[in-house]
Amino acid sequence: EIVLTQSPATLSLSPGDRATLSCRASQSITSSLAWYQQKPGQAPILLIYDASNRATGIPARFSGGGSGTDFTLTISSLEPEDFAVYYCQQFTNWPITFGQGTRLEIK
Amino acid sequence: EVQLLESGGGLVQPGGSLTLSCAASGFTFSTFAMRWVRQAPGKGLEWVSGISDSGRNTNYADSVKGRFSISRDNSKNTLYLQMTGLRAEDTAMYYCAKRGGRGYHDFWGQGTLVTVSS
Repeated sequence: EIVLTQSPATLSLSPGDRATLSCRASQSITSSLAWYQQKPGQAPILLIYDASNRATGIPARFSGGGSGTDFTLTISSLEPEDFAVYYCQQFTNWPITFGQGTRLEIK
Repeated sequence: EVQLLESGGGLVQPGGSLTLSCAASGFTFSTFAMRWVRQAPGKGLEWVSGISDSGRNTNYADSVKGRFSISRDNSKNTLYLQMTGLRAEDTAMYYCAKRGGRGYHDFWGQGTLVTVSS
């Protein structure tokens, strides 16, 4: 099973700041990585797929990068609605696995 | 507009059974693989099971293998998850999700809550 480790567990920033979230895989997953955003009481929504492609309707301030084992999600300038939990997910091998999440909170 | 609407959750005793449904609309259901993903209270996301577009191929997480069964009825645009031998650790919000591209989840339902408790 491929283990995804997200860091940091919690990130405290202010609106307007740049956020960089990390996801590291226990073995190479090439570019088979997605990022999701989840707000309290809501279902996750897809932000980024294939490591760097923005999903439909996702603002340009969200970007993804990386390949192999190291990936990043960057939010260029935080908006109030961006404070949420973010998960990465790999889909190169069964079972599909998720990272444990990064909580992005308002400083 | 893609819509996924789960139902069937509730309170069940340990060892009991429950069947979840997910009604899909807004896309050609029969041409997409589907999955169930769960989230225990205050915890992260856990993939549970997946099924191919035709229904011929299925996969399960080790934690539910032998107890859960995924199926679909393409004539009714509905996905199912039959759960037996339920345990306290199966308590979670269960989401159905549409598979996109090479294996991510491009649309999610709002979830149905399963609570296993005596």
